[in-house]
Amino acid sequence: DQQVKQNSPSLSVQEGRISILNCDYTNSMFDYFLWYKKYPAEGPTFLISISSIKDKNEDGRFTVFLNKSAKHLSLHIVPSQPGDSAVYFCAAETGSGSNYKLTFGKGTLLTVNP
Amino acid sequence: NAGVTQTPKFQVLKTGQSMTLQCAQDMNHEYMSWYRQDPGMGLRLIHYSVGAGITDQGEVPNGYNVSRSTTEDFPLRLLSAAPSQTSVYFCASRSGGAIGYTFGSGTRLTVV
Repeated sequence: DQQVKQNSPSLSVQEGRISILNCDYTNSMFDYFLWYKKYPAEGPTFLISISSIKDKNEDGRFTVFLNKSAKHLSLHIVPSQPGDSAVYFCAAETGSGSNYKLTFGKGTLLTVNP
Repeated sequence: NAGVTQTPKFQVLKTGQSMTLQCAQDMNHEYMSWYRQDPGMGLRLIHYSVGAGITDQGEVPNGYNVSRSTTEDFPLRLLSAAPSQTSVYFCASRSGGAIGYTFGSGTRLTVV
């Protein structure tokens, strides 16, 4: 059973517009939710996170929203830039003090067109 | 700091061969993990460690062994390679006070 789901394999947007990437989860015990960005032939890099007790976290052009009642989070990128073109993974973390585990979604390929 | 270093970057194995994927981190992180990435599957946890001498299985552990004799190193061993183990492997580490893991650049493994 997939605990973290990214239902859109790909998304294409125009430069300067908003990109919205979505993620759903099933486990209410997740402590943190994270977004990772991955370029081809590189490892994932951490982008932004949100605690399960928050509903919004903002960092520059990136904002993550968490709707716990719907078990849904989204990543907004405004304005989108061609360099944002990458695969974005939603991940959820469990554990505290003794064991930290990340569960990943399958990823969404974002293409930002000039 | 080098961060998380994985070697080799590429490897081709024949079915039945064994090999070790190396992972080292210089950030004194307690927690380390191995993931594999397959097309359309995201990243799946193979094994993880919460400190030197302590390891445990993740979601897809079969066919792999790990050990953690030092804080810095967390090698992943393929005992008898199978074509189903063709994948990109990522090692990651984190400290207890941080959020999320830092990933290495990956090892692309092909088993023929």
